Amino acid sequence: AQSVTQLGSHVSVSEGALVLLRCNYSSSVPPYLFWYVQYPNQGLQLLLKYTTGATLVKGINGFEAEFKKSETSFHLTKPSAHMSDAAEYFCAVTIKAAGNKLTFGGGTRVLVKP
Amino acid sequence: DTAVSQTPKYLVTQMGNDKSIKCEQNLGHDTMYWYKQDSKKFLKIMFSYNNKELIINETVPNRFSPKSPDKAHLNLHINSLELGDSAVYFCASSQGWTGTGNNEQFFGPGTRLTVL
Repeated sequence: AQSVTQLGSHVSVSEGALVLLRCNYSSSVPPYLFWYVQYPNQGLQLLLKYTTGATLVKGINGFEAEFKKSETSFHLTKPSAHMSDAAEYFCAVTIKAAGNKLTFGGGTRVLVKP
Repeated sequence: DTAVSQTPKYLVTQMGNDKSIKCEQNLGHDTMYWYKQDSKKFLKIMFSYNNKELIINETVPNRFSPKSPDKAHLNLHINSLELGDSAVYFCASSQGWTGTGNNEQFFGPGTRLTVL
């Protein structure tokens, strides 16, 4: 079965600083990987996804992530944090045989300091 | 205009009661989901329906029963509520169920259930 581990349940960054959220996955077959964002008291919104092809994927709000098979990682980055980036971020994985069934990581809460 | 809507947004009830949460999507999708998010923010899928057919039924107490009257609606009925059922329940929908990774799931705003 697939699994996702997000390192760090809380990350604090200064406004304008780099945001780096770590995600490692476990899968015996090629994975499909996703990052979702959850703003306070809201549902989840897709930031970006990797299915096949280019390993560096760009998403909304200036975020990007790189799929590294050798490291089984899919870390999320943003060069310059904004106050509006304060939210909970979830990494998720699925595989072809699982259809659209997502397995989520535990989430990382991002706090942005002025 | 809301793509995926849930009612109610908040639900406070006593142990032992029966309650329902409703979900509607106006995106024309054919697949809908229920997720449970616990107090530690951990998200886990509970059920999924594709064209009104149950396709995912995770290890969930049989007190939980989903019902999909049509492709646009997926309701969740919970019998004999327990303290441990307190959580945020999210509905989601997607177009398709194929294993391509391209069936983006759109989430509703959640229903916060508190069992006293």
